[in-house]
Amino acid sequence: KAGVTQTPRYLIKTRGQQVTLSCSPISGHRSVSWYQQTPGQGLQFLFEYFSETQRNKGNFPGRFSGRQFSNSRSEMNVSTLELGDSALYLCASSLTGRIVLAYEQYFGPGTRLTVT
Amino acid sequence: AQKVTQAQTEISVVEKEDVTLDCVYETRDTTYYLFWYKQPPSGELVFLIRRNSFDEQNEISGRYSWNFQKSTSSFNFTITASQVVDSAVYFCALSALTQGGSEKLVFGKGMKLTVNP
Repeated sequence: KAGVTQTPRYLIKTRGQQVTLSCSPISGHRSVSWYQQTPGQGLQFLFEYFSETQRNKGNFPGRFSGRQFSNSRSEMNVSTLELGDSALYLCASSLTGRIVLAYEQYFGPGTRLTVT
Repeated sequence: AQKVTQAQTEISVVEKEDVTLDCVYETRDTTYYLFWYKQPPSGELVFLIRRNSFDEQNEISGRYSWNFQKSTSSFNFTITASQVVDSAVYFCALSALTQGGSEKLVFGKGMKLTVNP
């Protein structure tokens, strides 16, 4: 079974630009969550999508948005990039996103975004 | 709000030493899960263990063992006879209910383990 894939793996952008990152979950998984990892703040939850609907959103500005397609693939978009957006962006897929029902989350390798 | 504290930020040991990674959590949820993940330099988070709030049994898996104590809100991880391949950043995480009806993971800041030959 193929794992979670994220593209691109590395990205360099300039302040003020926008960027789109992609995540393809494990086949059959309908929930995709996104996390941002920075040295200062650690791993922080961005948002979660299930069946094309955003169910939850973390404490991030509106410049961060996402969507999910009917095949469960998800994209996240960051507009008007700032230097502080430089981070490793990880996505995780699971069957339903219900952790307490013991549905496992599987993480992708991440996209490392550098904003200059 | 839920919180996970990993007080140690970095540990360096010599191969074959035992090392314990501490994790303390805060939550008001009655049902929750605790996790440990390993993040090698490649960046991918590798799942190590999940423990639910009703199961305080300790667990051993090869050289890895976990001690869950609800009374002290701790979920510590011990690596016995460490090896160079154990070098990585280790994260403790807690599931947290969200308004959307599902859960997210709340992570500690991570602890970088370096095992020297």
